[in-house]
Amino acid sequence: DQQVKQNSPSLSVQEGRISILNCDYTNSMFDYFLWYKKYPAEGPTFLISISSIKDKNEDGRFTVFLNKSAKHLSLHIVPSQPGDSAVYFCAARDGGSNYKLTFGKGTLLTVNP
Amino acid sequence: DGGITQSPKYLFRKEGQNVTLSCEQNLNHDAMYWYRQDPGQGLRLIYYSQIVNDFQKGDIAEGYSVSREKKESFPLTVTSAQKNPTAFYLCASIPYQAGGTEAFFGQGTRLTVV
Repeated sequence: DQQVKQNSPSLSVQEGRISILNCDYTNSMFDYFLWYKKYPAEGPTFLISISSIKDKNEDGRFTVFLNKSAKHLSLHIVPSQPGDSAVYFCAARDGGSNYKLTFGKGTLLTVNP
Repeated sequence: DGGITQSPKYLFRKEGQNVTLSCEQNLNHDAMYWYRQDPGQGLRLIYYSQIVNDFQKGDIAEGYSVSREKKESFPLTVTSAQKNPTAFYLCASIPYQAGGTEAFFGQGTRLTVV
């Protein structure tokens, strides 16, 4: 039972364009959503988060949108840069289960120069 | 420097042996987590702990055990009951008492069964 789903295993965009990474979830008890970036053989690094009571959070080139009724969130990167090429994980915190933190399977983003 | 330290970076285990992966943090974080990464599987939760002497099973706890005797330490033992232990293991911590929500990760341990 996959509670956090990233249905696109990969995404390729041109430098300077917008990258949109999507995430769907099923658990209504999730109270925080987070995005991480990961390079091979390294630990993930935190990018941006959003509370379930908000619908948008912005930090520089990164913006996360939350559509609670659709149980969907997305990460927008504008403009995309070659250094953004990595695997991006969506994660969700379950406020009703001792703060269990569940990750999706990730999306490999490739930004082409 | 504050951070999360996982050791060793690479670990080789013979079939049938137990092995323990170390995770230490000096961030004074309350919660600690263990994840396993396999190709195409993302990060799957093995065990997590909110406070000392308490921990919960994650989604794939079978064949693993943990302890949380100190706030700073959350070692993971991969037992011989784990049928497919070869993977990349990641430890994380979160400062919940400080209102934190983001997890800070260690650099991982690559475990290979030989």
